[in-house]
Amino acid sequence: EIVLTQSPGTLSLSPGERVTLSCRASQTVSSSYLAWYQQKPGQAPRLLIYGASNRATGIPDRFSGSGSGTDFTLTISRLEPEDFAVYYCQQYGSPGYTFGQGTKLEIK
Amino acid sequence: QVTLKESGPVLVKPTETLTLTCTVSGFSLSNDRMGVSWIRQPPGKALEWLAHIFSNDEKSYSTSLKSRLTISKDTSKSQVVLIMTNMDPADTATYYCARRVLELRGGYDYYYMDVWGKGTTVTVSS
Repeated sequence: EIVLTQSPGTLSLSPGERVTLSCRASQTVSSSYLAWYQQKPGQAPRLLIYGASNRATGIPDRFSGSGSGTDFTLTISRLEPEDFAVYYCQQYGSPGYTFGQGTKLEIK
Repeated sequence: QVTLKESGPVLVKPTETLTLTCTVSGFSLSNDRMGVSWIRQPPGKALEWLAHIFSNDEKSYSTSLKSRLTISKDTSKSQVVLIMTNMDPADTATYYCARRVLELRGGYDYYYMDVWGKGTTVTVSS
């Protein structure tokens, strides 16, 4: 089973800053099977990025994803107040899906 | 509009069996590019994928929970059911169902969960 490790665990940042979140896989992951989700307190996760770099419908272009193989990143070019949340990467493989442990973005 | 809604008991006792239902609308469970997954999240912890069912009724399960899980669907009722046996307090969590999409584009196949239910909270306690 592929393990996804996200870093850092928590980031304290200010609105307007740029941030890059990391997701590292224990084995090679197909880029088309790598997704990123945002989760706010008390809400279900929301799809942000699929196929490592494709924004989901309605996602602002300040969110971008990149990477291949075992290393993937999610970048938020300019943090808005509503972006402070927990972010999860996810991969699809055999037998199914795994999620990273999440990175929490908190307001500094 | 695509929606998914989870339903089931709020409280179950240790060793009991949990049955959760996901009722979907806005798409068909027979669509060969759609499927439904169950995911759970213990309080304050990360997401954990549990099981998935495909349109052709093929199923896949989390390796660590496979012996306790059964997933099934009733296409006519637009429902997906997850059964988890031998519940333990460690199974206390919010349980989500989500639509899994297969998108074919540019020679690639993309898999992602694009719409999630709001979740249902299950507490395991005597």
